[in-house]
Amino acid sequence: QVQLQESGPGLVKPSQTLSLTCTLSGGSISTETYYWAWIRQPPGKGLQWIGSIFYSGRAYYNPPLKRRVTLSVDTSKNQFSLMLTSVTAADAAAYFCAREVREAGYDYWGQGILVSVSS
Amino acid sequence: YELTQSPSVSVSPGQTATITCSGDALPKQYAYWYQQKSGQAPLLLIYKDTERPSGIPERFSGSSTGTTVTLTISGVQAEDEADYHCQSADTNGTYVVFGGGTKLTVL
Repeated sequence: QVQLQESGPGLVKPSQTLSLTCTLSGGSISTETYYWAWIRQPPGKGLQWIGSIFYSGRAYYNPPLKRRVTLSVDTSKNQFSLMLTSVTAADAAAYFCAREVREAGYDYWGQGILVSVSS
Repeated sequence: YELTQSPSVSVSPGQTATITCSGDALPKQYAYWYQQKSGQAPLLLIYKDTERPSGIPERFSGSSTGTTVTLTISGVQAEDEADYHCQSADTNGTYVVFGGGTKLTVL
């Protein structure tokens, strides 16, 4: 059974860097079939794609966030990670990791982690 | 690039709910639909405009016409009350975009 679990701090100070990790169980991150994605949802708002990464490290980013986002993958730990620099209150959201299947959508999601931005 | 969804839809149990999503790239890119209940992660309902993953009830169906895709829920049940999000990509398939979400209320 594929499971994804986000981890990281629930509170980040303004101007600092948000770092989250997603751990995959029940499967291997090193497969040709899937991308691994981060998606966020501000309170009461819609979903926003942040970016996706392949196990090789090739990544795609949402243009409005590209300057501040870095995705990485650690195949030895079956994990992938998100770094978002220079956070502001607008970055406060529930952050989800998900498995992306090209032309088949996001079929597995983590439960999400709520991140607040405050000094 | 944006996908446009109406903010809310209300139906009585047993009726049919229709949720639309509009975007200029939809004739060229597939659409996907997700159901998100309060406090939960989204659940994939429809992929490639009309396909249903295994385990999704047949009352959920998708269709596509030009720049609009539609999620139809036939015989709505109380448990279908949720937010519904459409998702697609830009014309070149370079980046992913979500609609703003539609809140379905079952009266």
